[in-house]
Formats: sequence, C-alpha cells, structure tokens
Amino acid sequence: QVQLRESGPGLVQPSETLSLTCTVSGFSLTSYGVNWVRQPPGKGLEWMGTIWNDGSTDYNSALKSRLSISRDTSKSQVFLKINSLQTEDTAIYLCARNENDVMDAWGQGASVTVSS
Amino acid sequence: DVQMTQSPSNLAASPGESVSINCKASKSISKYLAWYQQKPGKANKLLIYSGSTLQSGTPSRFSGSGSGTDFTLTIRNLEPEDFGLYYCQQHNEYPPTFGAGTKLELK
Repeated sequence: QVQLRESGPGLVQPSETLSLTCTVSGFSLTSYGVNWVRQPPGKGLEWMGTIWNDGSTDYNSALKSRLSISRDTSKSQVFLKINSLQTEDTAIYLCARNENDVMDAWGQGASVTVSS
Repeated sequence: DVQMTQSPSNLAASPGESVSINCKASKSISKYLAWYQQKPGKANKLLIYSGSTLQSGTPSRFSGSGSGTDFTLTIRNLEPEDFGLYYCQQHNEYPPTFGAGTKLELK
C-alpha cells in the first residue's frame, strides 16, 4: 500500500528556514520521483519541485533561489527546505508520488504558518 | 509555463444529476491532462490522467474528454461522496501546472 506522510513544524518565524520531511512507504524512492506541492489557505495548488528517482531535481523557477529538495533513500524520506520565509509562504505543504508526471498518490499535507 | 483555466469556479448540483467541469490550456498539451479530487481531511485523489484514462479505483461514473487545449471532466449520476474540490493539471511539459479548482457543492 503506497503511503506518503508529511511532517514538520507548524509555525515558523519570518526570515527563517522551513524544513519538512515526506516519509514514504509501499514504494522505493529509487523507482519513483516525489513532488512537493503547496496550497495557500483558500487557494489552489502550486507545484514546488520534483526529486526524480535518480536523485536529480527540478524546481519551480519562482522558488528556485530559496528551495532545496533532497532525499535519504535508506530511510525512504524526502526533504524540503525553503529559506527566507515570508508570510506568503503560509500554506499546506503536500508531497505526492510522481508516475509519468502525474501525481498518483498524495500525503494529507502539513500545515505551516509563517508568523512572528 | 502553460496556464490552465478551469471553469466554473463553483458548481451546485444534487445527487443523481450529471455535471461537467472544463479546463482550458494556454497552448496545446496533446492529451496530457489529469483530474484530481480534493476533500477535507483526505489525501488528494488522482481520478483521470492522459485526458480520459481512469486511474485504478475511479468509479466509471467519472469520465474525461478532450485534447489540445480543451478538456472536460464529466460526473454522471452524482453520489454524495463526489462533492468536493476538483483540480485539473497538465502533465505534457514541465513545470506541471494546475487549474484554480472547481468547488462542487450540494444544491
């Protein structure tokens, strides 16, 4: 059974760095890519980036300067780091498995609020 | 980036009715459009990909059509569990981009 679960701090200060973890089960990170997607309150979905099965990455150009995605295959974990946080980064952060550029399994999301 | 315009933003219907949601791409994406369902407290669910291919487990009352720039998700004989948010996403090229969503509400 394919599962993804996001975890991380619920509250982060402005200008700080957000670190989130996506822990997966039921599939191997060396066989599938994983996407990060975020959803600001009351708004739509925004693709942030993808880490591919070979470990290479693609990032949203609007976030590229602040974003890093990495992984630990031995722990079945994918990591997202975004620095210089602003209030506009308040969102639900979701990870999703990539199957032929379609997101075929999702986590339930981690809610992050950027506030002092 | 490919811009995806989804309509309508809101839709009210009753169980048993049929509804359609539209998605328009800013340029041709061939057949590569996916539809997702979002419900509170649940993981997003992939319903359809490549325009019309049902994901395993998607009920047959869901169907997708279209190619090029214009696509439609149709839900026939609405069930109570179908009410929620629906998003389209193009998977023809990177970056993947989503429509703004359609909220399907109970009338």
